[in-house]
Amino acid sequence: DAGVTQSPTHLIKTRGQQVTLRCSPISGHKSVSWYQQVLGQGPQFIFQYYEKEERGRGNFPDRFSARQFPNYSSELNVNALLLGDSALYLCASSQQGDSYNEQFFGPGTRLTVL
Amino acid sequence: SQKIEQNSEALNIQEGKTATLTCNYTNYSPAYLQWYRQDPGRGPVFLLLIRENEKEKRKERLKVTFDTTLKQSLFHITASQPADSATYLCAPSGNTDKLIFGTGTRLQVFP
Repeated sequence: DAGVTQSPTHLIKTRGQQVTLRCSPISGHKSVSWYQQVLGQGPQFIFQYYEKEERGRGNFPDRFSARQFPNYSSELNVNALLLGDSALYLCASSQQGDSYNEQFFGPGTRLTVL
Repeated sequence: SQKIEQNSEALNIQEGKTATLTCNYTNYSPAYLQWYRQDPGRGPVFLLLIRENEKEKRKERLKVTFDTTLKQSLFHITASQPADSATYLCAPSGNTDKLIFGTGTRLQVFP
């Protein structure tokens, strides 16, 4: 079975631009979560979606938004990019919607904002 | 606010020895705690989960303890190998929708 996939692998944008990151969960997983990982830090929770509904939101500005599609894939959008948005963006999927379940992470999208 | 502390400095040990990593948390009472391994440029990989009513859990060469009084978890790798070199993240979490990660400890096992 394929694991969690994310696209693109790398992305370079300039300040003020908008970006869309994509994630496909493991087949059968209904929950997708997004995390931001800045170099040298642990991943920070951004969003969780379960059965296409937002289940949780971390402490991130409204420039960050996400959605989940009927096939359980997900997109993360970031508007008005700032230099500080440069990070590794990780997507994780799990079977259920609570964090008690093992989270399966994708390889991440490396976003660089110039 | 919730705070999680892991050794910020890298842990260097010799092959064959036991590596012990520490995870301390404050200002909350997690119902369980997960440990993940992360290699450079990759997403974290789940290793072990321990519940608040479990004192210890083992999986092959890995052992995790969870002391809710000390608010601490210890992660042990016995008979360590160079292939164990990675960053190890702890995530003490409650019955919520998100994982709260520590900053991670980088482990380097040298021959």
